[in-house]
Amino acid sequence: GNSVTQMEGPVTLSEEAFLTINCTYTATGYPSLFWYVQYPGEGLQLLLKATKADDKGSNKGFEATYRKETTSFHLEKGSVQVSDSAVYFCALRFPGYSTLTFGKGTMLLVSP
Amino acid sequence: DSGVTQTPKHLITATGQRVTLRCSPRSGDLSVYWYQQSLDQGLQFLIQYYNGEERAKGNILERFSAQQFPDLHSELNLSSLELGDSALYFCASSVTDTGNYEQYFGPGTRLTVT
Repeated sequence: GNSVTQMEGPVTLSEEAFLTINCTYTATGYPSLFWYVQYPGEGLQLLLKATKADDKGSNKGFEATYRKETTSFHLEKGSVQVSDSAVYFCALRFPGYSTLTFGKGTMLLVSP
Repeated sequence: DSGVTQTPKHLITATGQRVTLRCSPRSGDLSVYWYQQSLDQGLQFLIQYYNGEERAKGNILERFSAQQFPDLHSELNLSSLELGDSALYFCASSVTDTGNYEQYFGPGTRLTVT
């Protein structure tokens, strides 16, 4: 079946450090890929998405590129801030379907 | 604020009991989704409704059921509760039932079964 695997957290970084959170997927076909962010005490918010191979999604300084050859969608940010501390979820969805399949989430903790 | 509301925020109940979680979608959204977030299973899709009708089913237990009412709000009913049902339950809504629209998530209901 379809699945998403993320690196386990927590990821602990100092402010202004470079961030990478790995995400790989297993799916038949060509899903759309997403990163969601969950701040403490809140629901999930869409951070960025990519709908086809080699697409790059970006938002708020975060980027991720849809790599079909490695079935990956790694999240990166060049310089993290304390306010980026949250749980990040990678997810996939197939065209024509609206249900999302999520990874287990990766907690990011950024210290000043 | 996503525009999706969920009540209650917290719920504490005992094993064997039954509870109802409520979700009001964003204005204009016809589709509602329920998800369960637990430490061991992560975030799992339970069930989707579109304009009052069940549209898709995920890993929803038989002890759980849901419905969407004519005013589009939805309720998730959990019965014969077990300790393992303790989790955060999220509702999300989207404009329609196909894949091209963003899902907006509510703040969740935290259920604790003792």
